Amino acid sequence: GAGVSQSPSNKVTEKGKDVELRCDPISGHTALYWYRQRLGQGLEFLIYFQGNSAPDKSGLPSDRFSAERTGESVSTLTIQRTQQEDSAVYLCASSEGDVSTYEQYFGPGTRLTVT
Amino acid sequence: ILNVEQSPQSLHVQEGDSTNFTCSFPSSNFYALHWYRWETAKSPEALFVMTLNGDEKKKGRISATLNTKEGYSYLYIKGSQPEDSATYLCASNYGGSQGNLIFGKGTKLSVKP
Repeated sequence: GAGVSQSPSNKVTEKGKDVELRCDPISGHTALYWYRQRLGQGLEFLIYFQGNSAPDKSGLPSDRFSAERTGESVSTLTIQRTQQEDSAVYLCASSEGDVSTYEQYFGPGTRLTVT
Repeated sequence: ILNVEQSPQSLHVQEGDSTNFTCSFPSSNFYALHWYRWETAKSPEALFVMTLNGDEKKKGRISATLNTKEGYSYLYIKGSQPEDSATYLCASNYGGSQGNLIFGKGTKLSVKP
């Protein structure tokens, strides 16, 4: 079946511009996560959606970052007024339930370069 | 701040060698430990989700053990093949259904033919 998809695969933007990244999870997966990996760093948690519960935004690095998810479908991660330190690979993952039990399925990522 | 540590950072082995690496994590309020394999230009792929102390899981030539009391997990690869070359990530969950995964920086394995 279809896996997690993300778009765009690559994005180059100028400092100060806004960007929007999209994630299509596996159908039926209630949980959706956003991570980023900056050069030389590990995967960094950003935000977690579980069903209709309030999202866990504890990993968002600043108020320039926001994310939305409608129900159990597509999610968008928005970065406003991008900075060079936002350059990273942004990964989305979905799972059947919470990670205390279920494995995550990752998308191919969006490579964001801020010039 | 919760920290998941992996060692070694990188590893070079010959085809046919068996190898293992370590994931260390805080043991308090632990819920689950995940292992993922991340090949270059691909998405991370789940290997194991482990929750119980003493848990052992196996998938082909790859196996993992879990010690929740002392806070470590080992990943073993028997008879390494070039296609095993990848970065192996471990991640811990501390909040159950209320929590996310905290990832280590990974162990990069290179298997020479």
